[in-house]
Formats: sequence, C-alpha cells, structure tokens
Amino acid sequence: ETGVTQSPTHLIKTRGQQVTLRCSSQSGHNTVSWYQQALGQGPQFIFQYYREEENGRGNFPPRFSGLQFPNYSSELNVNALELDDSALYLCASSFGAGTANTEAFFGQGTRLTVV
Amino acid sequence: GESVGLHLPTLSVQEGDNSIINCAYSNSASDYFIWYKQESGKGPQFIIDIRSNMDKRQGQRVTVLLNKTVKHLSLQIAATQPGDSAVYFCAENIGAGSYQLTFGKGTKLSVIP
Repeated sequence: ETGVTQSPTHLIKTRGQQVTLRCSSQSGHNTVSWYQQALGQGPQFIFQYYREEENGRGNFPPRFSGLQFPNYSSELNVNALELDDSALYLCASSFGAGTANTEAFFGQGTRLTVV
Repeated sequence: GESVGLHLPTLSVQEGDNSIINCAYSNSASDYFIWYKQESGKGPQFIIDIRSNMDKRQGQRVTVLLNKTVKHLSLQIAATQPGDSAVYFCAENIGAGSYQLTFGKGTKLSVIP
C-alpha cells in the first residue's frame, strides 16, 4: 500500500450535478497531483497543488477545480457533470514540486460514473 | 489530451520468458521518464525511472532503455511471472520530480502460466 487514501472509492452522479473527491497524501508529502483516467486510456494530468497553491494545470475546463489544505490533503471538485466525466480519478502524492529524487505514489482512485 | 482507442495493445508471454514493452513519447523536451504498472482496480505503481542524461537503467528484474534520437522507451522484464500481468504505462515529464506527467498508451501484459 502507498499510504495515499482516496474517498469515496465509487460514486454515481447525475449529469449536471457537482462532485467532490478527496485525497489524503502520504505522510511527509506536500504535493498532490490529480489525474483523470478514462476507460482503456492512460491517466491525464488535471492539476497539481503544492503547499496549498495550484502549481500547474492540464487541459481541463474551469469546472474542474481543486483545493489543498494545511495538512496537504486535497479535494477535486467538478461542477456541471457531463457524461464524459465518467472515469477513474487518481491522486498522486509527492514531496516538492520541481525537485528531483522523490517518487510520486498514487492512490487507488475514485471511480466516478455520471448517468 | 491524446486520442486513443479503447483497445489496448496486448503482449502475451510465457512464464519465465523475457518481456519487452515499447513506448513512443511525444515531447523532445521531456527529461524524465517513468514506467508504471497498473493492476485492475488499483492506481499506477512505480516500477523504474530514467533521466534524459542516461540511456539505460536497471532495477530488480527490470531494465529501461531510452533512445532520445527516436523518442523511444522500452521496458524489459526478465523471467516474467504471473504477478507481472497488468497494464504498463510509460510517462514523460518536463522537470524531473515535478510529476506533472504525460502518460502514453498502455500495454496489457498477459503472462501464460
């Protein structure tokens, strides 16, 4: 196990609703990155939080937003859910942003289904 | 993001044989590369990494080769075991350690006992 915990593990939402996903980072880590993994594809980078600030964002619309707390846990919020948002959402915990020699550990993911 | 199909490339190998999984990366400015293993229902698991100033790196039963000229990575698994069955992804990064990764198309490895 990696020490990165995501909740909930599974979630079903209706199109147009809002969802909040949570990630507890590994002890000692201060950076959390979020990824979206559609079925049969590789993960796609959504954004990264370092010391409570957004530190890079992928090609996702503003309805994808995030937050990092003083204990370095993080939330991913998605507004106005669309059917294509159905995916496995992964968070990865690491130490530092732009520094070398540390490994990122992934959580088990949250499976979101939008109906 | 990249457009990929729903059908992953598949590699079937006999238990005990060596496996080679290939990956083409997209950005010539990428300077850090990672191979991940993802089992069903789990998040990606780090296998091995390599920086752009290296051509080869070896781990326990695994070797990664980097060819920057043709933007190609390969993962070699020696003496493949049933527990190696999973989907394997290569990932590239600009800024080693920043972990804002671009993942490639996965390859599904099936080990035949």
